[in-house]
Amino acid sequence: EIVMTQSPATLSVSPGERATLSCRASQSVSSNLAWYQQKPGQAPRLLIYGASTRATGIPARFSGSGSGTEFTLTISSLQSEDFAVYYCQQYNNWPVTFGQGTKVEIK
Amino acid sequence: EVQLVESGGGLVQPGRSLRLSCTASGFTFGDYAMSWVRQAPGKGLEWVGFIRSKAYGGTTEYAASVKGRFTISRDDSKSIAYLQMNSLKTEDTAVYYCTRDVKVIPIGAFDIWGQGTMVTVSS
Repeated sequence: EIVMTQSPATLSVSPGERATLSCRASQSVSSNLAWYQQKPGQAPRLLIYGASTRATGIPARFSGSGSGTEFTLTISSLQSEDFAVYYCQQYNNWPVTFGQGTKVEIK
Repeated sequence: EVQLVESGGGLVQPGRSLRLSCTASGFTFGDYAMSWVRQAPGKGLEWVGFIRSKAYGGTTEYAASVKGRFTISRDDSKSIAYLQMNSLKTEDTAVYYCTRDVKVIPIGAFDIWGQGTMVTVSS
């Protein structure tokens, strides 16, 4: 199975600053990569799929890039509602697999 | 409103069975693949299994950790997906989420999630 590794585990950012989250796959997943946001007590929310396509209703401050094994989620200017845990997920091969998550916290 | 609502969770003893249901509304259920994803307390997300729409064969895929014990099925006439869980283990304790594929073509990315239902396996 493809192992997804996210870094850093925790990212401390001030509101209004830029946040950059990384995700690495143990083998190529082409562009079959999604990003999710999860807040405490809530279900995850799809942000990005196809490595760079924003899901319906997702603000433009969220952007995704990368292909193959290296991917990035960028939040251009963090808002208070963006502090959460973010997961990457590959769906190039079965089983689909998730990274362990990056927690974005208030600095 | 597009919505998924899970039900059927609860406390169950190891070795016993439980069936979860996922009732969909607000979209044409039969057009989409459906998955189950779980999250153990304080842990990350783990994909459990997937069922394609009838247009794509209605076939299933499972995680190795549940293969042979869990079965996903669907009733398109009722807009319900099911997760039959047999031979439950304590490590199956988790919140179980029902999800919808983001595209009609099944790809394995999930844009609609239910609120989750808690399954606790304990004696």
